Amino acid sequence: SQQGEEDPQALSIQEGENATMNCSYKTSINNLQWYRQNSGRGLVHLILIRSNEREKHSGRLRVTLDTSKKSSSLLITASRAADTASYFCATDNTDKLIFGTGTRLQVFP
Amino acid sequence: EAQVTQNPRYLITVTGKKLTVTCSQNMNHEYMSWYRQDPGLGLRQIYYSMNVEVTDKGDVPEGYKVSRKEKRNFPLILESPSPNQTSLYFCASSLSLGVGGYTFGSGTRLTVV
Repeated sequence: SQQGEEDPQALSIQEGENATMNCSYKTSINNLQWYRQNSGRGLVHLILIRSNEREKHSGRLRVTLDTSKKSSSLLITASRAADTASYFCATDNTDKLIFGTGTRLQVFP
Repeated sequence: EAQVTQNPRYLITVTGKKLTVTCSQNMNHEYMSWYRQDPGLGLRQIYYSMNVEVTDKGDVPEGYKVSRKEKRNFPLILESPSPNQTSLYFCASSLSLGVGGYTFGSGTRLTVV
């Protein structure tokens, strides 16, 4: 079952610009996590935001969570070519982490 | 180095030939899980384990088996692989469900012909 839906499916920007990705989910959650995946590689955990938090920062990453709208956003500021990857949100409920289908981000030098 | 190790990285096999994909973590994590990733379908959970000797089905368990005899190992077994099991497989672990993020292995690309 798919819980998270990312939007947009694909995003192309220039280096230095900000990238914003959105995630919507369907059921109540304990926390929401964002992951990054370089092509064909394993996923790397970026940031976790708990259901009672509204915003969290980690370096150039900013995550917001709106539980009333069942949505989250990931902002990458001052993007770099090395940020090119797929980004997934994942919702943590009682017994599993459910991933969305991801946003493919391309950052051009 | 804290990591999840999957083997093999690539595997081509024939229909019906039993295979095992190994997964090992060195972080003393309680929770381990297997996912498959297919284009357009994202990551789907196959099986998960909350702790030793405790395993449960995920969303797509048909055709797969797992075991958790030791905390560090969580092998994925395909008793009779079929072409629709051609996929990219990932093992992941976390300290406990709901505690922190998951650490993923590098993946196993399986092709069943």
